[in-house]
Amino acid sequence: QVQLVQSGAEVKKPGASVKVSCKASGYTFTSYDINWVRQATGQGLEWMGWMNPNSGKTGYAQKFQGRVTMTRNTSISTAYMELSSLKSEDTAVYYCAKIGSLSYPLHYWGQGTLVTVSS
Amino acid sequence: DIQMTQSPSSLSASVGDRVTITCRASQSISNYLNWYQQKPGKAPKLLIYAASSFQSGVPSRFSGSGSGTDFTLTISSLQPEDFATYYCQQTYSTPYTFGQGTKMEIK
Repeated sequence: QVQLVQSGAEVKKPGASVKVSCKASGYTFTSYDINWVRQATGQGLEWMGWMNPNSGKTGYAQKFQGRVTMTRNTSISTAYMELSSLKSEDTAVYYCAKIGSLSYPLHYWGQGTLVTVSS
Repeated sequence: DIQMTQSPSSLSASVGDRVTITCRASQSISNYLNWYQQKPGKAPKLLIYAASSFQSGVPSRFSGSGSGTDFTLTISSLQPEDFATYYCQQTYSTPYTFGQGTKMEIK
């Protein structure tokens, strides 16, 4: 069965960077895009960007351009999302999700990684 | 960016009720519209994709319709496990924006 398993919670200071991993299993990792979505406590879902694991091509929401980098290691079927210059407003749960077919829905989701930014 | 507007933002309903949530896009998105259910402390779960296609395992009381700019998610007979927050998302063009969510509560 398809599974996306994310790395554990992180606590970072303002200005630091965080790198969240997302290990995929149960399907061919290079066949489907991975998207990243975040959710601040009590807030809605915010789409951050996508990565094609086969080509490494990426696309980021304008809000995160220059601060986010999405990469992958195909040998271990793992995607990464790195966010730099962290601010307190970046405190959120970060999710990876595998794209599905037809309308490219976020078909399967990781369990989420809480990133807390605090001095 | 395409803006997605959901209504209502919150909804109080009883078990057995028929409820409808609407989602409006700021421009035509064809049928590139997906619906998710999220329960507290959990990742969202895909319910409906391509506006009206069921995700495997989703109960038949859930249905989706619409095309272009106006979409609806209907739950034909609310069950206790359906009390959650629902989000629409367009995947017509990036950024793949979400609606603000509809929180469904027990009356």
